[in-house]
Amino acid sequence: AQKITQTQPGMFVQEKEAVTLDCTYDTSDPSYGLFWYKQPSSGEMIFLIYQGSYDQQNATEGRYSLNFQKARKSANLVISASQLGDSAMYFCAMREPLVSGSARQLTFGSGTQLTVLP
Amino acid sequence: EPEVTQTPSHQVTQMGQEVILRCVPISNHLYFYWYRQILGQKVEFLVSFYNNEISEKSEIFDDQFSVERPDGSNFTLKIRSTKLEDSAMYFCASSEEVSTEAFFGQGTRLTVV
Repeated sequence: AQKITQTQPGMFVQEKEAVTLDCTYDTSDPSYGLFWYKQPSSGEMIFLIYQGSYDQQNATEGRYSLNFQKARKSANLVISASQLGDSAMYFCAMREPLVSGSARQLTFGSGTQLTVLP
Repeated sequence: EPEVTQTPSHQVTQMGQEVILRCVPISNHLYFYWYRQILGQKVEFLVSFYNNEISEKSEIFDDQFSVERPDGSNFTLKIRSTKLEDSAMYFCASSEEVSTEAFFGQGTRLTVV
């Protein structure tokens, strides 16, 4: 079974509008972390936002927020007021379990290509 | 702002040759990772490193691959005898703790011809 599922291969959004990128995950471990990364066409991986499984509040970082619904195992990324520079591939990733002293891998989804239209 | 640095940014090598990809993680980070991304595909985990030893490795990380931390700052990935299918973007990443984000380098694009 896929640990991270991103069902939207491509999304379009009008500049200045909000957009939600979907991510669902599968784990039986109670301790995990969820991450979103942005990969522009230049190829680098840029960290956007993190949500821990025990965090009570949804994470926010500037225009990025994470809609964390633990019971549904979803961690959708919301980008508000989209800008042309937001056009990129977006990856959801999970690390589990979170055990200090163990360099656990990030497992990535297949990504969503977001295009912001002027 | 501290960042993960990878060299070279692009390497072209002949099939069967050895390559060494270099990374300088963020200085106070304790956990180190190598990932690769074949063009147009998802990011795949290769190996993780903590306390001067391999913590985890994937099925991709076979005997052709090795990692070293030769000094206090560098973290290298060696591919002993490259194959065409090793062509990919290779990312190094580091994190301070398991519960914090992993910061990625800008990647090394390896092309095997």
